[in-house]
Amino acid sequence: GAVVSQHPSWVICKSGTSVKIECRSLDFQATTMFWYRQFPKQSLMLMATSNEGSKATYEQGVEKDKFLINHASLTLSTLTVTSAHPEDSSFYICSASREVAKNIQYFGAGTRLSVL
Amino acid sequence: AQKITQTQPGMFVQEKEAVTLDCTYDTSDPSYGLFWYKQPSSGEMIFLIYQGSYDQQNATEGRYSLNFQKARKSANLVISASQLGDSAMYFCAMRPSYGQNFVFGPGTRLSVLP
Repeated sequence: GAVVSQHPSWVICKSGTSVKIECRSLDFQATTMFWYRQFPKQSLMLMATSNEGSKATYEQGVEKDKFLINHASLTLSTLTVTSAHPEDSSFYICSASREVAKNIQYFGAGTRLSVL
Repeated sequence: AQKITQTQPGMFVQEKEAVTLDCTYDTSDPSYGLFWYKQPSSGEMIFLIYQGSYDQQNATEGRYSLNFQKARKSANLVISASQLGDSAMYFCAMRPSYGQNFVFGPGTRLSVLP
């Protein structure tokens, strides 16, 4: 069964509004979670590393003020797309690792964001 | 810098036959992990198989096996007895042992024909 839960799976919003996406690790604690963005027919692009209790680490070119990440607990990380615009429309997916040794990343089901 | 190459943008295979999806990687790290994920049209990323760089044997998980050739820096995924439900995008990924960030390849779209 799923070990990482992501919500919502699909969201439509108006331009200028903010959207929050939740990523939860089920029955395990994740001090680190990852947020990816995926454009159609392309691979996953790492946006940021979410660290519990501290600031997220953003990849080069990702606007930290646009994509706010909060990792307030060991089982929950949130990504807020602020003042969304049509170019922010994409598939966003989070992951967390449950196994320390192999560090296998388990992914949420993803969130499809459409900004009108 | 690390890089994953998947040279097959699309592959076709007949149902019940085996198929090999290619993956080559480039890294200077002495220790790393290699992963394969399946992404069906629903979008979720499903973990398939893991290979550690120091593992002596090739990894196997049910119908999935990883043909690991360290000297060639290749980690091909072999799917035996293909099923219609295997039709999806397949991503090869790598992570250095000292870090947590994954690097993904561009993916291969597999289509299983009835």
